[in-house]
Amino acid sequence: SAVISQKPSRDICQRGTSLTIQCQVDSQVTMMFWYRQQPGQSLTLIATANQGSEATYESGFVIDKFPISRPNLTFSTLTVSNMSPEDSSIYLCSVEGRGMNTEAFFGQGTRLTVV
Amino acid sequence: TQLLEQSPQFLSIQEGENLTVYCNSSSVFSSLQWYRQEPGEGPVLLVTVVTGGEVKKLKRLTFQFGDARKDSSLHITAAQPGDTGLYLCAGSKTYNTDKLIFGTGTRLQVFP
Repeated sequence: SAVISQKPSRDICQRGTSLTIQCQVDSQVTMMFWYRQQPGQSLTLIATANQGSEATYESGFVIDKFPISRPNLTFSTLTVSNMSPEDSSIYLCSVEGRGMNTEAFFGQGTRLTVV
Repeated sequence: TQLLEQSPQFLSIQEGENLTVYCNSSSVFSSLQWYRQEPGEGPVLLVTVVTGGEVKKLKRLTFQFGDARKDSSLHITAAQPGDTGLYLCAGSKTYNTDKLIFGTGTRLQVFP
């Protein structure tokens, strides 16, 4: 397993501004994943963050809106840019386990409200 | 397109009742996991099933992977208020793939 710390845990932001969410892992991991979870919904993968290369974005998500940094093997940030109320969501950082079955471990999430 | 459909979407029951949550797909998965998420927290892994027909038990929770590895079920016996949460199934389509596909989710509320 892995211990994942995310911050902030919650924030209320004005539309048009940007918020950077930080994710710190207690061990080195190859890949980190960023998910969005809209109220009452399941998880949607935003992007996969690899150290030393650009993040890989899923369909419907673009780098200009959700820039990601991965400066080392234990840390990543996700920025939600030029926010609108539709960006209100929980954002979750995740890493994979060391087994072969792609088990995921999650941070506690960042609850973002855009007003 | 949601590849993993869960049913029911919502479930509200009294303490002591039994329940089953289903996770269905038309695709084959190499492994499938179940997670529980409580408010203000990230999902927490409950179990992984990898073999068709496999049954795993975790105290009052019984997990089954379908013979064709396209579906799974979670059965809770004598539910307790502490079982309340969002239950998510998630699958990976090939071994060593890094992406998980999450189900639509089942929100369970157990009243004392």
